[in-house]
Amino acid sequence: KQEVTQIPAALSVPEGENLVLNCSFTDSAIYNLQWFRQDPGKGLTSLLLIQSSQREQTSGRLNASLDKSSGRSTLYIAASQPGDSATYLCAGRTSYDKVIFGPGTSLSVIP
Amino acid sequence: EAGVVQSPRYKIIEKKQPVAFWCNPISGHNTLYWYRQNLGQGPELLIRYENEEAVDDSQLPKDRFSAERLKGVDSTLKIQPAELGDSAVYLCASSLEKGSGSATTYEQYFGPGTRLTVT
Repeated sequence: KQEVTQIPAALSVPEGENLVLNCSFTDSAIYNLQWFRQDPGKGLTSLLLIQSSQREQTSGRLNASLDKSSGRSTLYIAASQPGDSATYLCAGRTSYDKVIFGPGTSLSVIP
Repeated sequence: EAGVVQSPRYKIIEKKQPVAFWCNPISGHNTLYWYRQNLGQGPELLIRYENEEAVDDSQLPKDRFSAERLKGVDSTLKIQPAELGDSAVYLCASSLEKGSGSATTYEQYFGPGTRLTVT
């Protein structure tokens, strides 16, 4: 059964730091991977989508990469801001055509 | 462009009562998803529709849950009867999917969710 882990589960950093969030699938056969953020009590907001033909995507201070051979993805946040505080989730489309989410990383950026 | 719309936003019911959730996806999106999210966890897929067809309902507890997507647009998710363990946030998402297999392209957009409390 495909499982997803996200490391760390929680992270607290001072404002301005660069940080990396990790997402790992037990079955490395991932076709697409999407990163989301979720604010408390809200739905999910799409941040970046890495399609099957791509290896990374960038949007502003965010950069996501996908290593299909290992089934691992990283989300890099540069110059973190208090407004970045949220839970970050990764979701992958597997070779079995399933969409599976990780449990999320709770990020707190301290002013 | 309007996003994914869900209603109601909150629902409190007693156990054994029925409940229904409604979702209106982004116009033109052919794929619709229902997820359940428990506190502190990632969303778990309940059912995925491609147009009117349910292509993945393997995680839907069919003894009490049902869903429909009439005319391939709006969708309704129903629970009857509700149990205490059904308390969660129910999320709807939609995407425009093209291609197949490893060449599938899509991006999911989520609604705000319905927070269900069963007492």
